[in-house]
Parts: sequence; structure tokens; C-alpha cells
Amino acid sequence: QVQLVQSGVEVKKPGASVKVSCKASGYSFSNYALSWVRQAPGQGLEWMGWISPYNGNTNYAQKFQGRVTMTTETSTSTAYMEVRSLTSDDTAVYYCARWRHMGEISLPYWGQGTLVIVSS
Amino acid sequence: DIQMTQSPSSLSASVGDRVTITCRASQGIFSSLAWYQQKPGQVPKLLIYAASTLQAGVPSRFSGAGSGTDFTLTISSLQPEDVATYYCQRYNIAPFTFGPGTTVDIK
Repeated sequence: QVQLVQSGVEVKKPGASVKVSCKASGYSFSNYALSWVRQAPGQGLEWMGWISPYNGNTNYAQKFQGRVTMTTETSTSTAYMEVRSLTSDDTAVYYCARWRHMGEISLPYWGQGTLVIVSS
Repeated sequence: DIQMTQSPSSLSASVGDRVTITCRASQGIFSSLAWYQQKPGQVPKLLIYAASTLQAGVPSRFSGAGSGTDFTLTISSLQPEDVATYYCQRYNIAPFTFGPGTTVDIK
């Protein structure tokens, strides 16, 4: 069965960077793109961008361009999302989620989420 | 960017009621719309994709309709386990924006 297992809670100081991992299993990693979504405490879902493990293509929401980098490591079926120059506004749960398939971008599979806390 | 709105922002209904949530896109998005359910403290769950296709395993009391700019999610008979926040998401072209959410609870 498809599983996405994310890394654990992170506590960072303002100005630092964080790198969240998302390890996939149960399917051919290279054949399905992943989206990253975040949710600040008590707030809604915010789409951050997507990455294709097949060719490394990415697309970031304008808000995150220049501050977020999404990568994949096909040898370990792992996706990564790095956020730099953290502020308290980046405190949120970060999710990775797999596309249904390359022609259908809805998200039937989600990781459990990674809580990132930014605090001095 | 295409903006997504949802109405109402919250609603309270009785068990067995028919509940309808509306999602509107600022421009046409064909049928590239999904609905997600998120219960408190849980991961979002896909309910509907391609505007009206029920995700496998989702109860048949959930249904989706619409195309272009106006979409609906309907719960035909509200159950206590349906208490959650519901989000629409467009995915015709990036950015794949989510709606602000509709919170549903039991009266």
C-alpha cells in the first residue's frame, strides 16, 4: 500500500532553515509527482508547490519562490522540502502528498505531517 | 492567480440533514476540482476528484457536482462522523489553490 512517512517535529530559531523529508513506499516513486502543503495553527491548507521525481521539475507558489527548495532522492524514494529564512509565520504542519497520477493532480495519499515550530 | 471562495464558512445542521457546500473559482477551471475532509487533528482526506468522482472508500452520501466556476459538495444525510472542515482545491494550472474551508458541525 502507498505510504508517505515524514520526518519528526522540528524547532527552529528565526532566520534558520529546516529540511523536511517524506519517504515513499508501496509504489514506483519516480512515476508520481508530489505536492507540499502546509497548515498554520488554526488555519486552512496552503499549497506550496510540487516536484516530479522523474525529472526533478518543480513549480513553487509565488509566495515561496526563492525561499523554498523541493528535491527528491530516487535511490531512497525520498522527497525533501527546505524552507530558509524562517519566521514565526512559518510555524505550521507541513504535508507531502502524492498525485493520483501525472494526468490527475488530486491528492489521495498524504504523509502524516511534520510540525515545524519557529520560536526564539 | 485564480482565487477560490467557499460558502458558507461554517454551518450547523442536524443528523440526517442534507448539507451543501459551494466552491467558486474566479475563472473557469473545467472540472479540475477536488474536495477534502479534515477532521480535527487529522490529515486531510480526499473525498471527490474531477469535480464529481467519488474517491474509493468514501461513503456514497458524499457527492460533488459542477464545472467551470461553480461547484458543490453535498452530504445527503449528515452523520456525526462528518463533523470536519471541508476544503475545495483547484488543479487546472498551478498554483493549485485551496479554498478557505467550510466547517461543519452538528446542531
